[in-house]
Amino acid sequence: DGGITQSPKYLFRKEGQNVTLSCEQNLNHDAMYWYRQDPGQGLRLIYYSQIVNDFQKGDIAEGYSVSREKKESFPLTVTSAQKNPTAFYLCASSIIGYYGYTFGSGTRLTVV
Amino acid sequence: KNEVEQSPQNLTAQEGEFITINCSYSVGISALHWLQQHPGGGIVSLFMLSSGKKKHGRLIATINIQEKHSSLHITASHPRDSAVYICAEDSGGGADGLTFGKGTHLIIQP
Repeated sequence: DGGITQSPKYLFRKEGQNVTLSCEQNLNHDAMYWYRQDPGQGLRLIYYSQIVNDFQKGDIAEGYSVSREKKESFPLTVTSAQKNPTAFYLCASSIIGYYGYTFGSGTRLTVV
Repeated sequence: KNEVEQSPQNLTAQEGEFITINCSYSVGISALHWLQQHPGGGIVSLFMLSSGKKKHGRLIATINIQEKHSSLHITASHPRDSAVYICAEDSGGGADGLTFGKGTHLIIQP
C-alpha cells in the first residue's frame, strides 16, 4: 500500500547533538513537507519541497535543515542551533495542483 | 498569511450527543481540510472541501465560502470518536502546505 513512512516513532537525543528524522513516500507525490507540533499549538511548517534538489523555508526553519536528493525522500535534520527541539514532527506529501495531502505517523523527539 | 481559528478548544460530551466543531479563516482559500489526530499523533484526513457539504458515515462537513467558515458535525457520537479534530486551509493549490488551526480536543464519555 502507498503511504508515508516516518522513522523512528520515538527518538531521544542529548542536547547539542544533531539528529536526522526520516520521511519516505511511495505515492509519487511531487511535494513534501515537514511540520512541528507543540502542546496547545497548531502544526507549523518548517520546510517544504516541490521538486527534487529544491526546497523552501517555512515559518519556523531556523535550526533545521533538509535535503531532497530523491523524489521519495525528504529527511529533516534538527541541528544543535534549534533552541527548543523537543516536539512532535510530522511529514506530509501532496500532488501539486490537487488538494489532497497524505500524512505520516510522526516522530516524537525528546532532547535531554 | 491566513489565520485559522477553531472553537471550542476542548469539548466533553455524552455518548449519543450531536457534536459541532467550528472553523473560521481570514482570507480566501483553495480548499479546507478536516483532520483527525489520535493520541499516538498520526493524522488521518477526514474531509477536503472547497464548497458545500460532504458526508461520510456519522461525520458531516460544511463550508460557507462567503462567510469563511466551516463546521464539522458528528451525529450519534461514540467514545471512539474521542480525538483531536483539526481544521486546515490550503490557499496554495496543494503546492506550499497547509495552515492549521490549533485543534479541538473532543472527549465522548460513555
